[in-house]
Amino acid sequence: GQQLNQSPQSMFIQEGEDVSMNCTSSSIFNTWLWYKQDPGEGPVLLIALYKAGELTSNGRLTAQFGITRKDSFLNISASIPSDVGIYFCAAISGGGADGLTFGKGTHLIIQP
Amino acid sequence: DTAVSQTPKYLVTQMGNDKSIKCEQNLGHDTMYWYKQDSKKFLKIMFSYNNKELIINETVPNRFSPKSPDKAHLNLHINSLELGDSAVYFCASSQDSRGRAFFGQGTRLTVV
Repeated sequence: GQQLNQSPQSMFIQEGEDVSMNCTSSSIFNTWLWYKQDPGEGPVLLIALYKAGELTSNGRLTAQFGITRKDSFLNISASIPSDVGIYFCAAISGGGADGLTFGKGTHLIIQP
Repeated sequence: DTAVSQTPKYLVTQMGNDKSIKCEQNLGHDTMYWYKQDSKKFLKIMFSYNNKELIINETVPNRFSPKSPDKAHLNLHINSLELGDSAVYFCASSQDSRGRAFFGQGTRLTVV
């Protein structure tokens, strides 16, 4: 089946630092999404990307849909304590009814 | 109002029991899903329902059965619960064909 390879698995950073994480696959996808999950909560959609090469920002977050359609990255600038959580990439190869394929997540831990 | 709501949030039960998890969405979305998150936080789709029809059914044991009484509800019934069924189950919904899914808060199922 389709797999998303997400890295890094975890990050320990200082408050104020920039963060970068990415997802790669051997398969082509039509849509890339980035979610954040806080403890005890469901994943919350951060950014959705629909076109190869698309670069989209949401506040301090920036994500890009790779030109090959097989990868995506998420950057967080000037991290703050509330950025702590698990970040997931997700992708779709067909229509929305196919459901999302998820990466294994990046655990972000911020030291004040 | 919560967009996607699940009940119960926690469920502890004995092996062999039958249980149900309820999900409701007030977003007017056409497609609803059930995802399973294992102890390593990996999210995997179980079912997708579109306009009350099952669209996909991944390699999930037939002890799991989704039931949708109407477009706003998708319940998950689990028969003969096993220890390995312990996980967090998330309901989600989406409207557009590009699959931006919105998740509920999850139901933590513990089978003892």
